[in-house]
Amino acid sequence: GQNIDQPTEMTATEGAIVQINCTYQTSGFNGLFWYQQHAGEAPTFLSYNVLDGLEEKGRFSSFLSRSKGYSYLLLKELQMKDSASYLCAHQGTGGFKTIFGAGTRLFVKA
Amino acid sequence: EAQVTQNPRYLITVTGKKLTVTCSQNMNHEYMSWYRQDPGLGLRQIYYSMNVEVTDKGDVPEGYKVSRKEKRNFPLILESPSPNQTSLYFCASSLSLLTAKNIQYFGAGTRLSVL
Repeated sequence: GQNIDQPTEMTATEGAIVQINCTYQTSGFNGLFWYQQHAGEAPTFLSYNVLDGLEEKGRFSSFLSRSKGYSYLLLKELQMKDSASYLCAHQGTGGFKTIFGAGTRLFVKA
Repeated sequence: EAQVTQNPRYLITVTGKKLTVTCSQNMNHEYMSWYRQDPGLGLRQIYYSMNVEVTDKGDVPEGYKVSRKEKRNFPLILESPSPNQTSLYFCASSLSLLTAKNIQYFGAGTRLSVL
C-alpha cells in the first residue's frame, strides 16, 4: 500500500528554523514533492527531490533518503507569512499517481 | 498569465442533480488531475489524464467521471451527487510526467456542498 505520514501541527517562532518531517511507504518511487497551502488557497510548489540528499532553495531546503522512506522540509528565518499548511507528496513509479500526505499546519508566532 | 481556471468557485446543489466542474489550463500541459481535499485526509486524487483521450482512475474515483477531448480542458462530472461528495475540489496540471517537470499547478478550488 501507499501511505504518507507527517505531523498534524507545529508551532515555531518568527526568525527561527523549523523542520517538518515526512515518511512514506510505497511500492515505487519517482519523486518527492513539497507544496505550501495557505488557508483557503490552492497549493503551490515549493521543492522536490528525486535523488538522496539536500536541495536548497533560498530559505527553504528539502532532504530525501529513499532507503529510509524519509524526507524533511527545512524553513529558515521564519516569517509570519510562512504560517500555512505544508504538504508532502509522493510520486510513484511511472509518475501517473501522486499521493499527498494530510499536511502539516505550521503556526509562526511573534 | 499562465493559469489553471476552475469554475464555479462555489456550488451548492441537491442530491442527484448532475453537475460539471470545469477546468482549463493555458500552459499546453499534457498532464491534468482532479483532487478532493477533506479535513484530516489531505488531497486525494480522483482521476488524472496523461494526454487527450487518455484518462485513468486515481484513488477515489467512485461517483465521478472525467473527459479529455481537448488538451486544455478536463471537466469533472458528478452524474448523481451525494452528500459524501461535499468537499473542496482542485484541478491541477503539469507539463509532463518526467519528474523534474511534473510540478503541478493548481486551480483556485471549487467548494461543493451537496444537500
